[in-house]
Amino acid sequence: GAVVSQHPSRVICKSGTSVKIECRSLDFQATTMFWYRQFPKKSLMLMATSNEGSKATYEQGVEKDKFLINHASLTLSTLTVTSAHPEDSSFYICSADPGSISYNEQFFGPGTRLTVL
Amino acid sequence: GNSVTQMEGPVTLSEEAFLTINCTYTATGYPSLFWYVQYPGEGLQLLLKATKADDKGSNKGFEATYRKETTSFHLEKGSVQVSDSAVYFCALAGNQGGKLIFGQGTELSVKP
Repeated sequence: GAVVSQHPSRVICKSGTSVKIECRSLDFQATTMFWYRQFPKKSLMLMATSNEGSKATYEQGVEKDKFLINHASLTLSTLTVTSAHPEDSSFYICSADPGSISYNEQFFGPGTRLTVL
Repeated sequence: GNSVTQMEGPVTLSEEAFLTINCTYTATGYPSLFWYVQYPGEGLQLLLKATKADDKGSNKGFEATYRKETTSFHLEKGSVQVSDSAVYFCALAGNQGGKLIFGQGTELSVKP
């Protein structure tokens, strides 16, 4: 149980285009999902906390208008990278908090490798 | 604020060697502590966790004990295998849940 999927696993896009990444909790409901960014050989940087039915909470330094987050249901959150540029190339990982199922534990998706040409 | 510090990598060991990856934390209250593992090109998998002082988390031969007196959660394994090669992240979650705070990660390479 507690599986989180991400789609796509890899995406290559041209500079200036937008890319949407989906994060789904497959067998549980998640009122809270988290989006992380990971640079090569680096730790995970929390970008934002996504709450179902409300606006996401962004970490300091993360551009809200560039990284649009929508958490439309208890099993789906999306991250849209708008007007992508090469410096947005990174590994994006989501996680989901099942709440009462497992105290304080988050379950992670497999990640999405974004390459902006 | 809360923070996690891990020992620097990369760590290179021979198969069957003993592994220790140090992790210390700073937190208010009573956080939960985690070790996550990331294999190349993949997301994170929970390796083990401990939710209160003196708890020992264990899984796949790995173990870590929540030491409040030394604010530590060191990861150990008695005999590593080549398949254990990965990046290991120590993390904490505050006692009110929510965000995970990660250490910088420690890359482990096990040679046959």
